[in-house]
Amino acid sequence: EAGVTQFPSHSVIEKGQTVTLRCDPISGHDNLYWYRRVMGKEIKFLLHFVKESKQDESGMPNNRFLAERTGGTYSTLKVQPAELEDSGVYFCASSLNPGSAIEQFFGPGTRLTVL
Amino acid sequence: AQSVAQPEDQVNVAEGNPLTVKCTYSVSGNPYLFWYVQYPNRGLQFLLKYITGDNLVKGSYGFEAEFNKSQTSFHLKKPSALVSDSALYFCAVKAAGNKLTFGGGTRVLVKP
Repeated sequence: EAGVTQFPSHSVIEKGQTVTLRCDPISGHDNLYWYRRVMGKEIKFLLHFVKESKQDESGMPNNRFLAERTGGTYSTLKVQPAELEDSGVYFCASSLNPGSAIEQFFGPGTRLTVL
Repeated sequence: AQSVAQPEDQVNVAEGNPLTVKCTYSVSGNPYLFWYVQYPNRGLQFLLKYITGDNLVKGSYGFEAEFNKSQTSFHLKKPSALVSDSALYFCAVKAAGNKLTFGGGTRVLVKP
C-alpha cells in the first residue's frame, strides 16, 4: 500500500512568489491534514479536510494560504505571496478515522525555503 | 487548549541501555496520545497510540509507552536501545476535534 506522498520534496522561492504544494493521501482515507514545522519549532496544525470539505481551518496563519481538495482526493496548499517566515517543512497526513483507527499517517514533507 | 511538553531537547544513551523519552500533556477530557518518529530526511512515522484500556501500550520497533493519568504523562520507552533508534521523536495528543498537538520533539542519540 502506497503511503502519503508529497510534491515537491524541496522548494526554494523568492519572497513575493507563489508556491503550490501537493499531497496525495493514502487511498481510501477521507481525512487529510496539513501541518507545518517552522524554524525547528513545534509541528503546528494548519487544517483538516474530510473528503472535499474543510472541517477545521483554525490553524491557517493568514489569507496568503489557500488549501483545496477538489474531488476529495489529492490536496494542494498554495502560498501567495510567500514571505520569509513561511519557510519550514510542510507535512501532509491522512487517516481513516472510523472507530479506533484514528492514527494519522504522514508524508515525507515539503521543505520550503523563502529567500 | 491542549498542549504537549517534551522536557528534553536531546537524550543520549549507550547502545543496549534502556531508553526513555519523556512526554507530559494537558488536555480537557480524555486524551488520545501518540508517538511518532522522524528519521533523517524522512517523514513522521507512527509508533504507537493510547486510546483507552491497558496503560502500557506496545508499538513498532520494540517501543512501548506508559499512560499515567495522575501524572498526565506518556513516556516512551525501549528496554534496549539500538544505534538505529537515533532519530527525532514527537509526542502528540488529540482531544476535541481531529487535529494533533505536538510536543517540540526530542532528539535521541544512541552511541555504539
